[in-house]
Amino acid sequence: NAGVTQTPKFQVLKTGQSMTLQCAQDMNHNSMYWYRQDPGMGLRLIYYSASEGTTDKGEVPNGYNVSRLNKREFSLRLESAAPSQTSVYFCASSVGAITGELFFGEGSRLTVL
Amino acid sequence: AQSVTQPDIHITVSEGASLELRCNYSYGATPYLFWYVQSPGQGLQLLLKYFSGDTLVQGIKGFEAEFKRSQSSFNLRKPSVHWSDAAEYFCAVGRSNDYKLSFGAGTTVTVRA
Repeated sequence: NAGVTQTPKFQVLKTGQSMTLQCAQDMNHNSMYWYRQDPGMGLRLIYYSASEGTTDKGEVPNGYNVSRLNKREFSLRLESAAPSQTSVYFCASSVGAITGELFFGEGSRLTVL
Repeated sequence: AQSVTQPDIHITVSEGASLELRCNYSYGATPYLFWYVQSPGQGLQLLLKYFSGDTLVQGIKGFEAEFKRSQSSFNLRKPSVHWSDAAEYFCAVGRSNDYKLSFGAGTTVTVRA
């Protein structure tokens, strides 16, 4: 009964380093999302994948890349981390469009020094 | 563009007292409205949603929300709060068949004994 699983849960990077956040869902959902959460700003959509084989930009895509590896997995990559990317990152999935429920992972806290 | 405002950053309520969280949205068409709850260290969980029909919607954990088109509001209420209701609450707005949800900045609820 895992739902949405994100790894790692915590990560500290130095400016300029790269890393990939991994996300997997076991609910056979078509759509997957990456959000970032910053104090006082709620959640902002970085990228989403409406279905396997497609990805689209959200509200704040700059500095990030994504890969929908298969129906289960959706990764988020920071090629050259910046302090402004210090945040809590959430992966989510849904059956289809947002008219359905979004199921969230527990979050990944990233600190860029 | 759609947007959501949650006027109250932090609310403190006594256990057993009623709770109302405010949400105002800006959207040109009929909005799809959601309330999500985030317990400490966890991802978000859907409390309730409104698409059409009866403007008073019931959700999980004893929560309800009322859609008022004339006031562009979707306020969340609970008649009697429990200590376990201490969390951060997010209002969100989207549109039919879309993949982009706009979240408010959130309201943190503290429950005192």
